[in-house]
Amino acid sequence: AQTVTQSQPEMSVQEAETVTLSCTYDTSENNYYLFWYKQPPSRQMILVIRQEAYKQQNATENRFSVNFQKAAKSFSLKISDSQLGDTAMYFCAFMKPTGANSKLTFGKGITLSVRP
Amino acid sequence: EAQVTQNPRYLITVTGKKLTVTCSQNMNHEYMSWYRQDPGLGLRQIYYSMNVEVTDKGDVPEGYKVSRKEKRNFPLILESPSPNQTSLYFCASSPQTGQGARGYTFGSGTRLTVV
Repeated sequence: AQTVTQSQPEMSVQEAETVTLSCTYDTSENNYYLFWYKQPPSRQMILVIRQEAYKQQNATENRFSVNFQKAAKSFSLKISDSQLGDTAMYFCAFMKPTGANSKLTFGKGITLSVRP
Repeated sequence: EAQVTQNPRYLITVTGKKLTVTCSQNMNHEYMSWYRQDPGLGLRQIYYSMNVEVTDKGDVPEGYKVSRKEKRNFPLILESPSPNQTSLYFCASSPQTGQGARGYTFGSGTRLTVV
């Protein structure tokens, strides 16, 4: 079974600064996907970024980028130029794309606050 | 607009009173799933469905039932709700099992309180 660990329950960052959210995972699979989801106070689950395990290049989406270390099973999210609208809970998630159930396995989440 | 629609958004009920949370998607997705979100636990899968009439248990299925009679609908049924089922519930869909990497679509959530 896969597990996803987010050890920091809360973080705070000044507007316009850079912040990194940590995530580690455990799996015996070689082919999988990793995601970061954002959940603002509206409760909507918003996909921020995804990484395919077989790709060595780190994924980037505008101000969001990841540091994917496959051997270390680490998948951190870097938010550059933090904005007030980035205030939300962030979840790291794992998915095995094969088999009958392509479920997402989530971490516990981290609450990020962006200070003006 | 492509979306997953959950109803209701908020629900307060009493212990033992049967309830159904509806989920409908308009994208012709084959795979649908229910999750519950609890503080400090993240989201955990309750049930999933690979297609019409094909459903199976996820990680926390106790106390829940589902059905998939039509492709678009995947209701979550609590036959006899208990306070430990107080939670935030999400329905999600993807085109097929194994294709969630292209993007799951989540509903907007149902906040359930059982007193």
